[in-house]
Amino acid sequence: QKEVEQNSGPLSVPEGAIASLNCTYSDRVSQSFFWYRQYSGKSPELIMSIYSNGDKEDGRFTAQLNKASQYVSLLIRDSQPSDSATYLCAASGGSYIPTFGRGTSLIVHP
Amino acid sequence: EADIYQTPRYLVIGTGKKITLECSQTMGHDKMYWYQQDPGMELHLIHYSYGVNSTEKGDLSSESTVSRIRTEHFPLTLESARPSHTSQYLCASSGVGTAVNEQFFGPGTRLTVL
Repeated sequence: QKEVEQNSGPLSVPEGAIASLNCTYSDRVSQSFFWYRQYSGKSPELIMSIYSNGDKEDGRFTAQLNKASQYVSLLIRDSQPSDSATYLCAASGGSYIPTFGRGTSLIVHP
Repeated sequence: EADIYQTPRYLVIGTGKKITLECSQTMGHDKMYWYQQDPGMELHLIHYSYGVNSTEKGDLSSESTVSRIRTEHFPLTLESARPSHTSQYLCASSGVGTAVNEQFFGPGTRLTVL
């Protein structure tokens, strides 16, 4: 059974701080990893993809992947209230279908 | 503009009615998916398709059916809607190349069955 685990939260951070979201996955053959942002009542929006070990930066977002530890993280620098949402981690291996985590709720308070 | 479209966005319907939720994409993707998601809950895959005339059931048992006659179109049908079908239905697609597993979601259809 492929699983992607995330802390449901909520994770509460002050505006301007770094938000750190974490995810572990069980399927060792997973090769592709994704972070989606989902606002309440809206559909998920892909914000980061990462395929190799290390860090990948895109604006205020940094995704980190450690395949040996089966661990993926998302850092959001200079967090803004508009970043308040649920963040879904997903992992994909041999099939085209990613396994999604249940999501972590992030609250950025002014 | 490349995008994924779902219609209707909101639907309120009575028990026993037949409904079809439409999903179309202009992303040039060959793979399409239907997910069901209740408020604050996880995504559940209910159907997927890797191409024309290819459809498979997902992890969540569903009374719905799908068809894939055209690459860009993946409608979902409920023959007889019930209150237990009340949920948000999300269509997604994924494509080709190095980003083959990146899924992009449509805006969703919020279905309420009375």
